[in-house]
Amino acid sequence: DQQVKQNSPSLSVQEGRISILNCDYTNSMFDYFLWYKKYPAEGPTFLISISSIKDKNEDGRFTVFLNKSAKHLSLHIVPSQPGDSAVYFCAASRMDSNYQLIWGAGTKLIIKP
Amino acid sequence: GAGVSQSPRYKVAKRGQDVALRCDPISGHVSLFWYQQALGQGPEFLTYFQNEAQLDKSGLPSDRFFAERPEGSVSTLKIQRTQQEDSAVYLCASSPGPLGGYTFGSGTRLTVV
Repeated sequence: DQQVKQNSPSLSVQEGRISILNCDYTNSMFDYFLWYKKYPAEGPTFLISISSIKDKNEDGRFTVFLNKSAKHLSLHIVPSQPGDSAVYFCAASRMDSNYQLIWGAGTKLIIKP
Repeated sequence: GAGVSQSPRYKVAKRGQDVALRCDPISGHVSLFWYQQALGQGPEFLTYFQNEAQLDKSGLPSDRFFAERPEGSVSTLKIQRTQQEDSAVYLCASSPGPLGGYTFGSGTRLTVV
């Protein structure tokens, strides 16, 4: 039973355009969400997070949106750059048992020049 | 060091062999996590340490898996009598506290033949 789902295994976007990565979750107890970026042969790198008391968090080119009623979050990258090509993972946790992250399977983002 | 260091980077083990995977967290980080990542999947939680105390080992798949962090810094994940299904990337992460954007190591890719 996958509690965190990333339904698109891959996404191809033109350089300079917006990349939108999606993530759905089933457990309404999740209240903290994170996005990680992973290059081949490296560990995941923390990108941005959001707690359930907010519906948007922005950091430079990266914005995460949270829709609690739909149990959906998305990561927007604007503008997309070639160095953004990587696998992006969505992860969720509960602050009351705050240490354990539940991960999606990842979406491979390819930025075309 | 500046980051989380894991060794070895690659390990090939014959079925039935015991292996030990090492993690050097960022100095001063209280929390340490082990995750297992199968090919094409997101990481899955194995165990969590706060200093030397193993607060959660609920993710360890069997009693062949054992983790320790005796002095609250370096951690070792040991797998006894390895089996083919143990083949995965084992990721270690550390953080100053239990919540939030952990720093991951590059992982150890274990292949059991």
